[in-house]
Amino acid sequence: IVLTQSPGTLSLSPGERATLSCRASQSVSTSYLTWYQQKPGQAPRLLIFGASRRATGIPDRFSGSGSGTDFTLTISRLEPEDLAVYYCQQYDGSSFTFGPGTKVEIK
Amino acid sequence: QVQLVESGGRLVKPGGSLRLSCAASGFTFSDYYMSWIRQAPGKGLEWISDISSSTNTILYADSVKGRFTISRDNAKNSLYLQMSSLRAEDTAVYYCARSQDAVTNQYYGMNVWGQGTTVTVSS
Repeated sequence: IVLTQSPGTLSLSPGERATLSCRASQSVSTSYLTWYQQKPGQAPRLLIFGASRRATGIPDRFSGSGSGTDFTLTISRLEPEDLAVYYCQQYDGSSFTFGPGTKVEIK
Repeated sequence: QVQLVESGGRLVKPGGSLRLSCAASGFTFSDYYMSWIRQAPGKGLEWISDISSSTNTILYADSVKGRFTISRDNAKNSLYLQMSSLRAEDTAVYYCARSQDAVTNQYYGMNVWGQGTTVTVSS
């Protein structure tokens, strides 16, 4: 399964809403759609699992939604520390794949 | 605290071999599947292998199948990646990550990551 993320780069001001898209080439079980955040120079961090469940310690401004082939990560009010690349990931029982990532820039 | 620490990365010549290790602490290692993920310089994340808690299920990405071998030693709380026939395109930071919960058989995402170890394949 190939994952496509859009846009490639998102440049927004603090307080604005960010909407990141992840589209799969085939249907993905919501149980196995995951979002990660990778800040510059750091390892990735789990944000959302099961398409919509926030990981421990993740602020409620991050939310995930979607099903089938279309999934969305929303950051309701951008903070300067949200500068990062965001990756979606899927598991289909035989392999995991990551999307190419969306880079979020803060104006 | 819950922690993963990778080691073993270094400069290696094309065609060479290397073994990476990942030491786990702060959780019951044998209760979890484990994965290796890599990131080439300036590029995105690439999953390369996953191993079940009992080692009876092992998965590989096509890009490393036949060249890389994942293994684990639950008594030593350690995960390994044996890499052979290395190519320039294997140059990357290699991360280990905690994967599926084998006790509940649920996937809660890769919720623990190490800091990564760097492998450079170059002559």
